[in-house]
Amino acid sequence: NAGVTQTPKFQVLKTGQSMTLQCAQDMNHEYMSWYRQDPGMGLRLIHYSVGAGITDQGEVPNGYNVSRSTTEDFPLRLLSAAPSQTSVYFCASSFRANSPLHFGNGTRLTVT
Amino acid sequence: AQKVTQAQTEISVVEKEDVTLDCVYETRDTTYYLFWYKQPPSGELVFLIRRNSFDEQNEISGRYSWNFQKSTSSFNFTITASQVVDSAVYFCALSGPNNNAGNMLTFGGGTRLMVKP
Repeated sequence: NAGVTQTPKFQVLKTGQSMTLQCAQDMNHEYMSWYRQDPGMGLRLIHYSVGAGITDQGEVPNGYNVSRSTTEDFPLRLLSAAPSQTSVYFCASSFRANSPLHFGNGTRLTVT
Repeated sequence: AQKVTQAQTEISVVEKEDVTLDCVYETRDTTYYLFWYKQPPSGELVFLIRRNSFDEQNEISGRYSWNFQKSTSSFNFTITASQVVDSAVYFCALSGPNNNAGNMLTFGGGTRLMVKP
């Protein structure tokens, strides 16, 4: 099992550009989520999904879109990148509610 | 709303010292779960422990131990005889039925532990 796979590992964008962060898991987990990590603020939830076709907003959803067409994939889209979105992004999955999260290795995004 | 506070942003100790990382949480739920994760310098996030709100027994795993006290809403983490490999950022997190986010985790800000040889 590869676990949770995130691509790319690093990305530099210019303000206004769009891009998609990819996340895939091979553990048949229903729950998937995206977090961003900023210094001193821990990890904050952006969007989450409790199954294919079901998504909802987390704490900091503005500027991001998600979809969940399959159990395996949960891409995060930045519609128009802003410098405030410079961060490290983590995708995570879990078997069910309140189960330990399995994290991907993160994507370091810089927006100039 | 749920909240997790890790008041210690950075701790520096010398190898073999014991160190305790504090975690205080706020929740209106009677059923909830507490977690600790470790983020070493390589950047990945590693699950350490999960404890539910009905189990107040302390947990020991090798050099690691956790002290859960509902009376003070705390879930502290102690490393005994610290080693350089323990250097990492440690996150405390909370989940529960009323966080309005599918039981996703609410994280504290993290404590950076530096263990010097």
